[in-house]
Amino acid sequence: EVQLVESGGGLVQPGGSLRLSCTTSGITFSDRFMDWVRQAPGKGLEWIARIQSKANSYATEYSESVKGRFIVSRDDSQESLYLQMNNLKTEDTATYYCARDGDGLGENWGQGTLVTVSS
Amino acid sequence: DVVMTQSPLSLPVTLGQPASISCNSSQSLVYSNGYTYLCWFQQRPGQSPRRLLYKVSKRDSGVPDRFSGSGSGTAFTLKISRMEAEDVGVYYCMQGTHRPQTFGQGTKLEIK
Repeated sequence: EVQLVESGGGLVQPGGSLRLSCTTSGITFSDRFMDWVRQAPGKGLEWIARIQSKANSYATEYSESVKGRFIVSRDDSQESLYLQMNNLKTEDTATYYCARDGDGLGENWGQGTLVTVSS
Repeated sequence: DVVMTQSPLSLPVTLGQPASISCNSSQSLVYSNGYTYLCWFQQRPGQSPRRLLYKVSKRDSGVPDRFSGSGSGTAFTLKISRMEAEDVGVYYCMQGTHRPQTFGQGTKLEIK
C-alpha cells in the first residue's frame, strides 16, 4: 500500500521555525522527485518546493514566497522527505502536503500536516 | 509565472449528466521535448488532492474512464461523462512545463 505520512506541524509564533517530515512506504522513493505543496485555509493549492533525485544531484527549487526561508531535503535511506521552515510568517499558515512525482507532480500525496503561524 | 485560469469556478451538475471544466494558460505548455505537462487534480471535501490526469489526457491508475482530458497549447478541458455523487469536490489544473509549477484557482463541482 502506498503511504506518505507528513508530521511536524503545529502552532508557532511569527519568526519561529518548524521542521516537517514526510515518511513514505510502499513506493519507489529514491529515484523520484519529491515536492511540497501547501494550501492555506479555504484556499487553493500552491507548489512551494521540489527536490530532485540523487541522479540529478538532489537539485532543489523553491517558490519565491519561501525562497531563502525554507529548505527541502531528503534521506533516501529512510525514504523520507523534509522541509525546514525558518522565519515563519502568518501567511505561511496552511496545510502542507508532500507529493511524489510520477510523470510530473503529484502521482501520490500525503494526508497533510497543518502549520499555524500566530502570536 | 504562468497563470492558469479555470472556468467556471462553480459548477452545479445533475447526477448522470456530463460536466466540463476549462483551463487556460498564459503561455504555451508544450515543453522542449514535445510533451505538454498539464495535469488535473481532484480534491474531495476534507481529503488530500488526487491526481486524475497527467500529460493532458493520460489517466492515473484507478481513475474511472468517465474522466477525460483534452487540449493543446494554452487551452485544456477536463470532462466527466456522467456525474456521480463521489465526484463532488474541487478540481484543479496545474502546469509543470514552466518553473514555478502553477495551479489554477480551482473549480467547485457540486450536485445540482
